[in-house]
Amino acid sequence: EPEVTQTPSHQVTQMGQEVILRCVPISNHLYFYWYRQILGQKVEFLVSFYNNEISEKSEIFDDQFSVERPDGSNFTLKIRSTKLEDSAMYFCASRGEGVRGHGEPQHFGDGTRLSIL
Amino acid sequence: LAKTTQPISMDSYEGQEVNITCSHNNIATNDYITWYQQFPSQGPRFIIQGYKTKVTNEVASLFIPADRKSSTLSLPRVSLSDTAVYYCLVGDVDSNYQLIWGAGTKLIIKP
Repeated sequence: EPEVTQTPSHQVTQMGQEVILRCVPISNHLYFYWYRQILGQKVEFLVSFYNNEISEKSEIFDDQFSVERPDGSNFTLKIRSTKLEDSAMYFCASRGEGVRGHGEPQHFGDGTRLSIL
Repeated sequence: LAKTTQPISMDSYEGQEVNITCSHNNIATNDYITWYQQFPSQGPRFIIQGYKTKVTNEVASLFIPADRKSSTLSLPRVSLSDTAVYYCLVGDVDSNYQLIWGAGTKLIIKP
């Protein structure tokens, strides 16, 4: 069964450094998402991406965050200047095109654990 | 965005059927109901999705009454490996299917 893959599985970075989290969505999917989950807390929506542009973003997704689909397969999340509170699991998800764009579930990767020191 | 409410935790035993009910009183006409399972340090795994009545797949059934204000995930004959957190979510089509997550139900299966 096709999977969403994320790399690296664990990233340790000094505060203030830039990090790029990488995702390879399922190949025929058109909608892409980033979520984060701080340890012991709820999963939080960050951003959705469709047709090479951001569709929706949450309040968490401020100017320090950006997303990109640099080629036909990768989908990246960049944090420009990391803060201690950015420490979390970051999940990428993708979904296919259903009827009128809905009805298809999102499929998640196993995440990148980001630790900011 | 529709909000969901589900029990914080449940216990059951191996071989039993487990039913987890979720309420979503403000569900919108075009929203779908989706259930995910999450193990520690893993990504959420899709279990089942439905719009109305009953949906069944190889791992679970989903029962949705006519008013769609609630739904029940049914796991037949659970095993120890079904111990996980289960999330009920309502898909907001107008927000490009942004998923709003609650705390989920922590299901513990005992031998």
